[in-house]
Amino acid sequence: QQQVKQSPQSLIVQKGGISIINCAYENTAFDYFPWYQQFPGKGPALLIAIRPDVSEKKEGRFTISFNKSAKQFSLHIMDSQPGDSATYFCAANSGGYQKVTFGTGTKLQVIP
Amino acid sequence: GAVVSQHPSWVICKSGTSVKIECRSLDFQATTMFWYRQFPKQSLMLMATSNEGSKATYEQGVEKDKFLINHASLTLSTLTVTSAHPEDSSFYICSARDRHTEAFFGQGTRLTVV
Repeated sequence: QQQVKQSPQSLIVQKGGISIINCAYENTAFDYFPWYQQFPGKGPALLIAIRPDVSEKKEGRFTISFNKSAKQFSLHIMDSQPGDSATYFCAANSGGYQKVTFGTGTKLQVIP
Repeated sequence: GAVVSQHPSWVICKSGTSVKIECRSLDFQATTMFWYRQFPKQSLMLMATSNEGSKATYEQGVEKDKFLINHASLTLSTLTVTSAHPEDSSFYICSARDRHTEAFFGQGTRLTVV
């Protein structure tokens, strides 16, 4: 059962552009929504995270937008750079000791 | 952020042998550790969750006798792939958390069974 759906599967953006990745979840018990960045051959690294009591969170060039009623959230990368080229995973969990459920991943390529 | 160290980074073993992967939390006490498996160009699939001092809880479809998990201390968990076969070749990733933080991930272990 895919509890967190992610799109697009791959994305090509020109340097300086905005990268947008979308996710949707089903389980209303989820209360923590992190985004991870993974480079080839490395483990995922936490990029930014949000809880459903806010609709937006911004950290530098990265912004999460959250729509609780629609059960959707998205990652926006402003002024995308070639160094941002990686695979991005949205995720969700319900806090405490609960496991993290990952989306299917988006491979981002930022071209000069 | 907190540091989770995984060892080895890569390992090649012969079919039928066993291989052990270690996951250590270096600067915090990991009350819970998670083991994931990732195939090329795919997402991370949770294999099992372990709480320190307790038996691991395996996800549906994961053979607990094949993937032995030990979480004997608050800073160390091990995953042993027993009688490995080529289809076990994959990227294995651990993550760890304490009671107050999100999970932090290790750098992963590339297992190749020949």
